Amino acid sequence: AQSVTQPDIHITVSEGASLELRCNYSYGATPYLFWYVQSPGQGLQLLLKYFSGDTLVQGIKGFEAEFKRSQSSFNLRKPSVHWSDAAEYFCAVRAGNNRKLIWGLGTSLAVNP
Amino acid sequence: DTGVSQNPRHKITKRGQNVTFRCDPISEHNRLYWYRQTLGQGPEFLTYFQNEAQLEKSRLLSDRFSAERPKGSFSTLEIQRTEQGDSAMYLCASSLLGDTEAFFGQGTRLTVV
Repeated sequence: AQSVTQPDIHITVSEGASLELRCNYSYGATPYLFWYVQSPGQGLQLLLKYFSGDTLVQGIKGFEAEFKRSQSSFNLRKPSVHWSDAAEYFCAVRAGNNRKLIWGLGTSLAVNP
Repeated sequence: DTGVSQNPRHKITKRGQNVTFRCDPISEHNRLYWYRQTLGQGPEFLTYFQNEAQLEKSRLLSDRFSAERPKGSFSTLEIQRTEQGDSAMYLCASSLLGDTEAFFGQGTRLTVV
């Protein structure tokens, strides 16, 4: 069965520091992978996605993610975090013919000034 | 606003009452999804429509839940005889057939007291 694991429930970083959020997936075929961000009172916004090709994908707001098939990972990175990046981050894999998303539990990011 | 629209944004209801939520997807989007998100969790798939046809339902969708998309445009999600465990954020998303990204609404937060 498809599944997504985000090992870190909560992370705190200082503004300007680098960030890496971990995501591991379990999926039999070539995965379609996504990172979404959810701010309080806001809907889910797509940061980036991977389908094929270059394993390093660039997204919005300065985020990038690297797909590593050997590690079944799709970790999200940002070189310098801004206070406005404080939010909940979700990794998801697209599954099945109906393209539904299977989600991780999310990582809550806090940013210290 | 041409995004996915959900109404109401918030709903407080007494246990045992029926509630109905509405989702207006992005115009011409064939696919429509409903997800449920409880506090501290990632979204969980509930059901999927392709045009007016409901093609998949999660086992999470008990017989108290029903969803419709009568004309292949807007969709409604009804919960009968609400229970406290139904308290959650109900998210709607839409996408084009064959497209890779699903766009999410801001959700309807249900509180059952």
